[in-house]
Amino acid sequence: NAGVTQTPKFQVLKTGQSMTLQCAQDMNHNSMYWYRQDPGMGLRLIYYSASEGTTDKGEVPNGYNVSRLNKREFSLRLESAAPSQTSVYFCASSEGRGPNEKLFFGSGTQLSVL
Amino acid sequence: AQKITQTQPGMFVQEKEAVTLDCTYDTSDQSYGLFWYKQPSSGEMIFLIYQGSYDEQNATEGRYSLNFQKARKSANLVISASQLGDSAMYFCAMRDPWQYDYKLSFGAGTTVTVRA
Repeated sequence: NAGVTQTPKFQVLKTGQSMTLQCAQDMNHNSMYWYRQDPGMGLRLIYYSASEGTTDKGEVPNGYNVSRLNKREFSLRLESAAPSQTSVYFCASSEGRGPNEKLFFGSGTQLSVL
Repeated sequence: AQKITQTQPGMFVQEKEAVTLDCTYDTSDQSYGLFWYKQPSSGEMIFLIYQGSYDEQNATEGRYSLNFQKARKSANLVISASQLGDSAMYFCAMRDPWQYDYKLSFGAGTTVTVRA
């Protein structure tokens, strides 16, 4: 019962470094999402993939890129990390077939950019 | 753009009492879905309850119920008989079902602390 798996769980970067957050789901879901969580701001959508082969910008896409590698995997890349990207990142997925579907979340990645 | 407002940053509740968490939303659509998630200190996001805008009855899931007032655009979560394990952050979220991407927009959250 893995669900949504995110790696790594913790990461510390220096300003300007790059990294990729990995996400995989084993529920055969069509839609996948990347959110960031900051104190007092809830969860904000960075990018999403409604189905395999498509990706779209969310509310806060600047400084990020994504790849929907296949139906299972959706990665988030920071090309040149900035302190403003210090946050907790969540990957989520849903079947993408109906409006009442809940999102299934990964356990989160705590990222600090120094 | 959708907007979800949770006006209570933090709340304290006595064990075994009920607590109501406020959520208001802004949309011009008639069809939408409302969700509540719980985030304990361990960090995971746990789905609690869903309400569709056309659902005639308020949703209930165990000790959780949703007080849905469509005309007021509010979807308050009621937790009855609070337990120490209910201490967590709670997020209200909304989806516009006519969008194909099914993404959720979240409020800022309310932290609930249950006192023994």
